[in-house]
Amino acid sequence: DTGVSQDPRHKITKRGQNVTFRCDPISEHNRLYWYRQTLGQGPEFLTYFQNEAQLEKSRLLSDRFSAERPKGSFSTLEIQRTEQGDSAMYLCASSLEAGELFFGEGSRLTVL
Amino acid sequence: QQQVKQSPQSLIVQKGGISIINCAYENTAFDYFPWYQQFPGKGPALLIAIRPDVSEKKEGRFTISFNKSAKQFSLHIMDSQPGDSATYFCAASKGGSTLGRLYFGRGTQLTVWP
Repeated sequence: DTGVSQDPRHKITKRGQNVTFRCDPISEHNRLYWYRQTLGQGPEFLTYFQNEAQLEKSRLLSDRFSAERPKGSFSTLEIQRTEQGDSAMYLCASSLEAGELFFGEGSRLTVL
Repeated sequence: QQQVKQSPQSLIVQKGGISIINCAYENTAFDYFPWYQQFPGKGPALLIAIRPDVSEKKEGRFTISFNKSAKQFSLHIMDSQPGDSATYFCAASKGGSTLGRLYFGRGTQLTVWP
């Protein structure tokens, strides 16, 4: 499968715990995006990388959220001290510069 | 503030009918307007997209109509099929020659009855 891969697909955690999501983009894509989607809403932009550089971050990305793309390939999104309001689907997408965004199937987070 | 406003929230259409979903935006810097289709448990997938230098783009049964002066664009699905039942999102970007972040509408849940 050469699409965008996200892991884990589902994560249930207790409030206050840290969670990390991984995204493997399509191999030749230099841009990688993170979006968050809650039930009944459209995806909301969190951040994006061009190669290893984080070019833009949304105000939604509080200091409890951190994203990295260390070698310009896969990316991780970490949420520290999770809150119930963090429960959502976290979507990763990748693209060539100026190209179509290809989304993964998402990582669903449930915070109890 | 919602950068892209989408309506209706839900739509029920009979098989063979035309589905129409509308979106409006305010930011005149937007220059790329895609539509995404999302099935339950899946990520959004690009359906069709338009840039403001044209007023209409057609791909198979899917057509985008774009009205730059009104800052509106719409998706028309001709001969709607039960397999089209999904959530549709309009979006906009101001990437210029390089695509930047997308601003999504809230989505329209389309149900096509057989």
